[in-house]
Amino acid sequence: QPVLTQPTSLSASPGASARFTCTLRSGINVGTYRIYWYQQKPGSLPRYLLRYKSDSDKQQGSGVPSRFSGSKDASTNAGLLLISGLQSEDEADYYCAIWYSSTWVFGGGTKLTVL
Amino acid sequence: EVQLVESGGGLVQPGGSLRLSCAASGFTFSSYSMNWVRQAPGKGLEWVSYISSSSSTIYYADSVKGRFTISRDNAKNSLYLQMNSLRDEDTAVYYCARSELVTNFDYWGQGTLVTVSS
Repeated sequence: QPVLTQPTSLSASPGASARFTCTLRSGINVGTYRIYWYQQKPGSLPRYLLRYKSDSDKQQGSGVPSRFSGSKDASTNAGLLLISGLQSEDEADYYCAIWYSSTWVFGGGTKLTVL
Repeated sequence: EVQLVESGGGLVQPGGSLRLSCAASGFTFSSYSMNWVRQAPGKGLEWVSYISSSSSTIYYADSVKGRFTISRDNAKNSLYLQMNSLRDEDTAVYYCARSELVTNFDYWGQGTLVTVSS
């Protein structure tokens, strides 16, 4: 079972909200980790969006709009990325990552389609 | 302006070797940790290796441990990745990415493509 699991795809309408999940493997407590989120548009480099561990330990990436936010769902052991007010330019792949056991681990990524 | 420029990619046969370089400019290279991250064609991101600013701390992904060696030359503002015993599954675009200690990757190079094929 992978360390981080992300749904392959997600679709939402312009103006709506999108909720991305990043589920940590059983036995790895989401509360312990900073969850990092990256956005990668087709043909472009990954862009750091934000990190979230708790409301007192979070960081927004430089220039990243406040409609991008992070949170956690302890009940499902998942990190969450929330995008409100979806725009067509938000269409991209979204990756979560954690620093785990002296390695960076990325999730497999979620492709967001805005339609 | 921060710039990271990778070079050294190309076509290599399985079992072969390749050395990637990343030339850094626009920031104090010796103050930052650096990483290599790869992305196979049409696939997701995979972290490869980390090196601290002074080279005192180095980490590798299990998939490359024992085959790849990361290094840096702060006098030359350069990062390297020596890749030996290459396999088909090492085919990917290799990015160098800057980080401050063990935290987010804030700048990425444009990448260099490594193709392992007979």
